[in-house]
Amino acid sequence: QLQLQESGPGLVKPSETLSLTCTVSGGSISTSSYSWGWIRQPPEKGLEWIGSIYYSGTTYYNPSLKSRVTISLDTSKNQFSLKLNSVTAADTAVYYCARHLIVGDGDWFDPWGQGTLVTVSS
Amino acid sequence: DIQMTQSPSSLSASVGDRVTITCRASQSISSYLNWYKQKPGKAPQLLIYTASSLQSGVPSRFSGSGSGTDFTLTISSLQPEDFATYYCQQTYSTPRTFGQGTKVEIK
Repeated sequence: QLQLQESGPGLVKPSETLSLTCTVSGGSISTSSYSWGWIRQPPEKGLEWIGSIYYSGTTYYNPSLKSRVTISLDTSKNQFSLKLNSVTAADTAVYYCARHLIVGDGDWFDPWGQGTLVTVSS
Repeated sequence: DIQMTQSPSSLSASVGDRVTITCRASQSISSYLNWYKQKPGKAPQLLIYTASSLQSGVPSRFSGSGSGTDFTLTISSLQPEDFATYYCQQTYSTPRTFGQGTKVEIK
């Protein structure tokens, strides 16, 4: 059974870089046709897709965050990572990692990690 | 970006009720529409993909329909564990976008 777990600092200072890692167990992140994604949810608000990375390393980002986001794979550790630079209080959110499954023309997020709260504050 | 609008934003219902949630896209998205359920403090869980396909392990009381711009999620007989917030998501174009959520509360 595929499981994902986010890890990283829970507190980041304004203007610094938010760095999170998602560790995948029960399957390989190198499996063809899989992508891996990051989604965030500000407190008491809805969901925002940040970006995804294909098993080959190809990335696609939300244009609203593209200038500040980097998603990468570490196949040796079966992990993928998120870096978001120049953070502000508006980046405070629960950050989720998920498998971004692509089947034919459709795609969806399943399963998800449990999420990790990142607060941006000095 | 494609805007997804859910209605209602919240509803109150009783166990056993039939519940319908609507999701409208700002442009046609064919059938590229997913539904998720989220309980407080938990990650979202996939219920329905490509508008009407039931995810493995999801109870058959959940169903999805629609195409183009208008979609519905129906719970045929609401159970206690169904009280949660439900989100639709379009995957027709990038960026992938979600609706604002519909909170289903106990009446």
